[in-house]
Amino acid sequence: AQSVTQLGSHVSVSEGALVLLRCNYSSSVPPYLFWYVQYPNQGLQLLLKYTTGATLVKGINGFEAEFKKSETSFHLTKPSAHMSDAAEYFCAVSEYQGGKLIFGQGTELSVKP
Amino acid sequence: DVKVTQSSRYLVKRTGEKVFLECVQDMDHENMFWYRQDPGLGLRLIYFSYDVKMKEKGDIPEGYSVSREKKERFSLILESASTNQTSMYLCASGGNYGYTFGSGTRLTVV
Repeated sequence: AQSVTQLGSHVSVSEGALVLLRCNYSSSVPPYLFWYVQYPNQGLQLLLKYTTGATLVKGINGFEAEFKKSETSFHLTKPSAHMSDAAEYFCAVSEYQGGKLIFGQGTELSVKP
Repeated sequence: DVKVTQSSRYLVKRTGEKVFLECVQDMDHENMFWYRQDPGLGLRLIYFSYDVKMKEKGDIPEGYSVSREKKERFSLILESASTNQTSMYLCASGGNYGYTFGSGTRLTVV
């Protein structure tokens, strides 16, 4: 069975600091991996996804994530946090594109001025 | 743009009522999903469907059922609503190019 664990339900960083949100997954087959963002009172927005190929994936708003099979991880990073990055972030895994999508518990990112 | 439309944005129902949450997608996706979202718990899969009249239980199916009579429509049914089903409910569809989520229905059971 697939599962996703996001380490840290709340992460707080200063504006301009590195953002690192951690995600570990479990999957019996090569996974498809996703990061979604949800701003307050808004719907889910896809940040980036890994399907096959290059393990470093670049997404919107300066975010990127690296698929590390040996560590079963897909951590999300951004070199310099902006106030507008404050939101909840969800990591998700599926066995194939469009298939059953399993989410982690979410990480709320706060950005301090 | 692909759209997933949920029939209600906010809904208030009484304990014991039968509740129908409707979801329609316009992208001809084979797969459709129902999730509930609660603080600290993320999105949890209730049911999903890979085809018309086909359904599979997700991680938290208890107290829910679903119906998929047409490819574009996937309904979530609360047979007898309870206060612990107060939540945000999200519908999604999935295809070869990814997923599309509805805006959600915030259900309050009183």
